[in-house]
Amino acid sequence: DAKTTQPNSMESNEEEPVHLPCNHSTISGTDYIHWYRQLPSQGPEYVIHGLTSNVNNRMASLAIAEDRKSSTLILHRATLRDAAVYYCILRDARNNAGNMLTFGGGTRLMVKP
Amino acid sequence: KAGVTQTPRYLIKTRGQQVTLSCSPISGHRSVSWYQQTPGQGLQFLFEYFSETQRNKGNFPGRFSGRQFSNSRSEMNVSTLELGDSALYLCASSPASGSYNEQFFGPGTRLTVL
Repeated sequence: DAKTTQPNSMESNEEEPVHLPCNHSTISGTDYIHWYRQLPSQGPEYVIHGLTSNVNNRMASLAIAEDRKSSTLILHRATLRDAAVYYCILRDARNNAGNMLTFGGGTRLMVKP
Repeated sequence: KAGVTQTPRYLIKTRGQQVTLSCSPISGHRSVSWYQQTPGQGLQFLFEYFSETQRNKGNFPGRFSGRQFSNSRSEMNVSTLELGDSALYLCASSPASGSYNEQFFGPGTRLTVL
């Protein structure tokens, strides 16, 4: 499976935008880029996913580099509730891995009031 | 819709015992996956069940097993508990099985092995 690399931690001020980077230089053409986050004392929750084009939803935006070797999760206005560990995960659309998610270490986002 | 529920939420066992954890997926979801989360190893995939069949299995010893019932509820069992099995066990459900599916996680069962 292609690997992802994320910074261990990042800090942000409340109500400012946050850009969370993810490197995936060995990504294959059929790998989807998924983001999940885990709030303290909760199970992970889905944030967003994309293949090639940038994606937006109510929670965040996903910007994917043209060569797809990196992506950035964008939280437009961080709130204290966004403090969590954010995981960038690649999922191959072709293989037989079903719903298996391979989590790395993620980025711990701290939001300062 | 109710979310994914896991029971019990907390459990204390001693080494050598066995334990059964339960997961009720979101209504209509047919896929249930299990994960183990520890401070040292992070989140690791245990197995996935879809329509009562194990679809995938992670790299865990045979002491870890699971099953899924016709109503999609799932149980996982750990036999001959070891101290290292202390962890948060998370279950996730999804409508179907495939790499494009969003996973919905439950709150987890915190297992402590003494």
